[in-house]
Amino acid sequence: AQKVTQAQTEISVVEKEDVTLDCVYETRDTTYYLFWYKQPPSGELVFLIRRNSFDEQNEISGRYSWNFQKSTSSFNFTITASQVVDSAVYFCALSANGGNNRKLIWGLGTSLAVNP
Amino acid sequence: DTEVTQTPKHLVMGMTNKKSLKCEQHMGHRAMYWYKQKAKKPPELMFVYSYEKLSINESVPSRFSPECPNSSLLNLHLHALQPEDSALYLCASSLRRGTSGSGQETQYFGPGTRLLVL
Repeated sequence: AQKVTQAQTEISVVEKEDVTLDCVYETRDTTYYLFWYKQPPSGELVFLIRRNSFDEQNEISGRYSWNFQKSTSSFNFTITASQVVDSAVYFCALSANGGNNRKLIWGLGTSLAVNP
Repeated sequence: DTEVTQTPKHLVMGMTNKKSLKCEQHMGHRAMYWYKQKAKKPPELMFVYSYEKLSINESVPSRFSPECPNSSLLNLHLHALQPEDSALYLCASSLRRGTSGSGQETQYFGPGTRLLVL
């Protein structure tokens, strides 16, 4: 079975704090892909990152960074020096080559509120 | 340019109305998707088109009828909807390289249509 768990339903921080959003996944496939999307109140799902199962390098993009650890099946997302514009729901998703590889398996999302 | 456009942005319809949602992309993507998203939930896949052919129907009721007139356009025709069909409807597209290893394709989403069925 494939599954994505985002244990944090809601997080509230004050601007400039660092915040980490957790994502734990389950799959038996050896080849799989992990994604993070941001959904601001406007509704559009914005693609943030894709990572394949063979690349465990951490990635940094500006204030955003991702920590992929196969040993713990986690793909956590950290926002450094958070800003009000970071307020959104963040979804982690999994896609594997086994079974129906067209489908994304979504976590339930983490709602992040960054307060001024 | 990773832009997917959707019209209309908002739609209110009665249960006897017929309406259509439209989605367009000009990224050369050959896979297009319809999702339904209820508040505080992740998106739920409805349909997938690959090379203008319907490849996945997630057991969606027939009151939703998808159409892919060409590689850039995707429509969702709505008829006799129920109030519980009120939701955000999202369109997405991805590159679609052949028949294998396509699970890694990034899906790019449009801004969605907020549908209210009265």
